[in-house]
Amino acid sequence: DAGVIQSPRHEVTEMGQEVTLRCKPISGHNSLFWYRQTMMRGLELLIYFNNNVPIDDSGMPEDRFSAKMPNASFSTLKIQPSEPRDSAVYFCASSLRGLTYEQYFGPGTRLTVT
Amino acid sequence: ELKVEQNPLFLSMQEGKNYTIYCNYSTTSDRLYWYRQDPGKSLESLFVLLSNGAVKQEGRLMASLDTKARLSTLHITAAVHDLSATYFCAVEARSYNTDKLIFGTGTRLQVFP
Repeated sequence: DAGVIQSPRHEVTEMGQEVTLRCKPISGHNSLFWYRQTMMRGLELLIYFNNNVPIDDSGMPEDRFSAKMPNASFSTLKIQPSEPRDSAVYFCASSLRGLTYEQYFGPGTRLTVT
Repeated sequence: ELKVEQNPLFLSMQEGKNYTIYCNYSTTSDRLYWYRQDPGKSLESLFVLLSNGAVKQEGRLMASLDTKARLSTLHITAAVHDLSATYFCAVEARSYNTDKLIFGTGTRLQVFP
């Protein structure tokens, strides 16, 4: 299996622009998580889905952030408009709910907003 | 609200030495996970601990779980440079409508000659 796939790996954009991050979970996994990691705040859970349904979005910082999962093999995290404080590494992870909730992380997208 | 604390936050140790990283959590949970993150890389699963008293070992790393004390330890034996990384523990947080991992702040380990 290719593991969790994220794109783009790096994104540099100007403040005010729309940014879309993409994630393809491991085939067969039924839970998907979006995290943000910064030096100041560490690793933060933004939102997660079970069976394509958003379950907990309490970590989404503002209305500027939105996430969708239209099917079991694709999810997006959108920031509109972007701000410099959104600069971070965004990770997507997936898991198979069952005996364990072990999560498998993608390589991350490094976002820089200037 | 479940909180997960790790200590120390930073650890600089000499090759060949032993040390332990501690992970404490605030509410009942039976399952705990350890992850490793190399600089500029993603998180990689190391251990899955599923019950009280669980012990897992891989090379120079050994993890254990005491659910009664709400404590997990990651023990490093005879450290080598390749172990330099940030280590995270994560605890399952379950309720009727949620099942997610709460991550600790991470312990940044540096092993020097």
